[in-house]
Amino acid sequence: DAGVIQSPRHEVTEMGQEVTLRCKPISGHNSLFWYRQTMMRGLELLIYFNNNVPIDDSGMPEDRFSAKMPNASFSTLKIQPSEPRDSAVYFCASSPAGSPLHFGNGTRLTVT
Amino acid sequence: DQQVKQNSPSLSVQEGRISILNCDYTNSMFDYFLWYKKYPAEGPTFLISISSIKDKNEDGRFTVFLNKSAKHLSLHIVPSQPGDSAVYFCAAVRGSTLGRLYFGRGTQLTVWP
Repeated sequence: DAGVIQSPRHEVTEMGQEVTLRCKPISGHNSLFWYRQTMMRGLELLIYFNNNVPIDDSGMPEDRFSAKMPNASFSTLKIQPSEPRDSAVYFCASSPAGSPLHFGNGTRLTVT
Repeated sequence: DQQVKQNSPSLSVQEGRISILNCDYTNSMFDYFLWYKKYPAEGPTFLISISSIKDKNEDGRFTVFLNKSAKHLSLHIVPSQPGDSAVYFCAAVRGSTLGRLYFGRGTQLTVWP
């Protein structure tokens, strides 16, 4: 079991650029979650999918953020255009139904 | 509005002693509570949980206590070990969707020899 795999581990970009974060959940897990960790707000849920379908995106901060899950083994979180306040650690997590989450190691995003 | 609060950002304990990490919540609709542990440059890992129908759950050196009337839970680690040094997050959820977690800000535990 390789765990939840996120890429890249670090991303540095300039304001206004598009950023795409990637996640491969654990095989067999039918729920996938994107969390963001900042100093100001701590860990907060952005969006989660169940069986590849977005269930709750109320945590997505703005229209600049979008997430997709085209199949059970891949998800992306895209920010376009990026802004300095988007700088944070973004975690992807997956779980089987009704079980605690397994988190990836995160992507540290820095927008200058 | 922070619905789950960990008021102690840090805790330092000597090896072999008990570590007690505290957590308070405001939403009485929460019915399941979890503790996660996080090492630097890694994601949080699940440690232990408790349902609101219980007041205690134990797993080896780790015990979680829940006081619903006070809206308070605590994590006890005994005996503490240097490898327990990490950030501990308290989290709460309503219903069966264990992904819609509300996290506290975390407590940095340092266990010194």
